[in-house]
Amino acid sequence: NAGVTQTPKFRILKIGQSMTLQCTQDMNHNYMYWYRQDPGMGLKLIYYSVGAGITDKGEVPNGYNVSRSTTEDFPLRLELAAPSQTSVYFCASSTTGGAEKLFFGSGTQLSVL
Amino acid sequence: AQSVTQLGSHVSVSEGALVLLRCNYSSSVPPYLFWYVQYPNQGLQLLLKYTTGATLVKGINGFEAEFKKSETSFHLTKPSAHMSDAAEYFCAVSPFGQLTFGSGTQLTVLP
Repeated sequence: NAGVTQTPKFRILKIGQSMTLQCTQDMNHNYMYWYRQDPGMGLKLIYYSVGAGITDKGEVPNGYNVSRSTTEDFPLRLELAAPSQTSVYFCASSTTGGAEKLFFGSGTQLSVL
Repeated sequence: AQSVTQLGSHVSVSEGALVLLRCNYSSSVPPYLFWYVQYPNQGLQLLLKYTTGATLVKGINGFEAEFKKSETSFHLTKPSAHMSDAAEYFCAVSPFGQLTFGSGTQLTVLP
């Protein structure tokens, strides 16, 4: 099983550039999430989705956009990259919310210079 | 709103010694509580979780945690540390379905 797959693993952007972080899962999970991880800060929820066509903001959504056209895919879009978006981004999925465990991808290291 | 506090951003123990990683939470409703582990350059993996029932929860790799409502704590323990336990550990709470993570504790195991 592939589980949760994120691409790319590393990326360097210039200020103002845009890019899409890809996330796909093959477990038929309804719930999908995007987190960012900054040193000493834990993981912060950016956006989440409870099913195809349904997305909602998390704790730190500013500067990001998402879409969920299929159950499998949940891309994260950065429109105008800023240095404050330098971080490690993790995509995760679960069958439902609440008590169910999250399955994480291996992360995308993004630097904005 | 819920929150999680992990006491100690770095903990060092000798191989074979007790591991104790501290986690306190706040939640307006009975919470679900989790411990996740992150090895270098990897995503997080679930160690154990508390939902309802028995307050002592056993997880993978010999770890366990006890939910203490009166102390709003969910500390993670392992009787004997192994070199392979070196990683970052995150406590998380989920009263409403969205996980809130603590800031993490980096565990170093000394030979």
